[in-house]
Amino acid sequence: DADVTQTPRNRITKTGKRIMLECSQTKGHDRMYWYRQDPGLGLRLIYYSFDVKDINKGEISDGYSVSRQAQAKFSLSLESAIPNQTALYFCATSEPGLAGGGTDTQYFGPGTRLTVL
Amino acid sequence: LAKTTQPISMDSYEGQEVNITCSHNNIATNDYITWYQQFPSQGPRFIIQGYKTKVTNEVASLFIPADRKSSTLSLPRVSLSDTAVYYCLARNTGGFKTIFGAGTRLFVKA
Repeated sequence: DADVTQTPRNRITKTGKRIMLECSQTKGHDRMYWYRQDPGLGLRLIYYSFDVKDINKGEISDGYSVSRQAQAKFSLSLESAIPNQTALYFCATSEPGLAGGGTDTQYFGPGTRLTVL
Repeated sequence: LAKTTQPISMDSYEGQEVNITCSHNNIATNDYITWYQQFPSQGPRFIIQGYKTKVTNEVASLFIPADRKSSTLSLPRVSLSDTAVYYCLARNTGGFKTIFGAGTRLFVKA
């Protein structure tokens, strides 16, 4: 979805380096998420944020940190990259579902392929 | 969060109807069944969501029986471009924690 953009799209780095992945959205959503996907597996939630002052850990937050600089921007950092953090990273946004009308729909960015050597 | 179980993979031919079944025995009262589609090297894309009975949109239909312990995603007359991974999720109206399992890898052949 072009409304959710991620930079860079591909990145190769070395063990121990600090890496930042950036996500921007023009959908006006308050909720933003970072996921990680390993080959052949589903997505695992790293961090999520409901607004600028809200940061929450997901199921695999160790080794990662995030920053919500504005409603539209949510950055993921790897403070000291290690090879098992090699994966495809997705940012997503959503807004709450309507009362009685189901849950929120998540809109995903195109992904960042990160390789840690 | 209710766990969902779906087949790892399915094969089909162009023009056929494809039904992918998902099991969710422990679904909670306020859980909705949501399906996403993911193409290689792209983020998942929302397809359809339902609570019970039948929901249809321009892409697919979703059938959920009265006991809600399972659901079936139906893709009418698939084409090669429907080759993708399909994820079945049980999400509650709090809605923010999403568990994506391995999904069902659908391969459509000519």
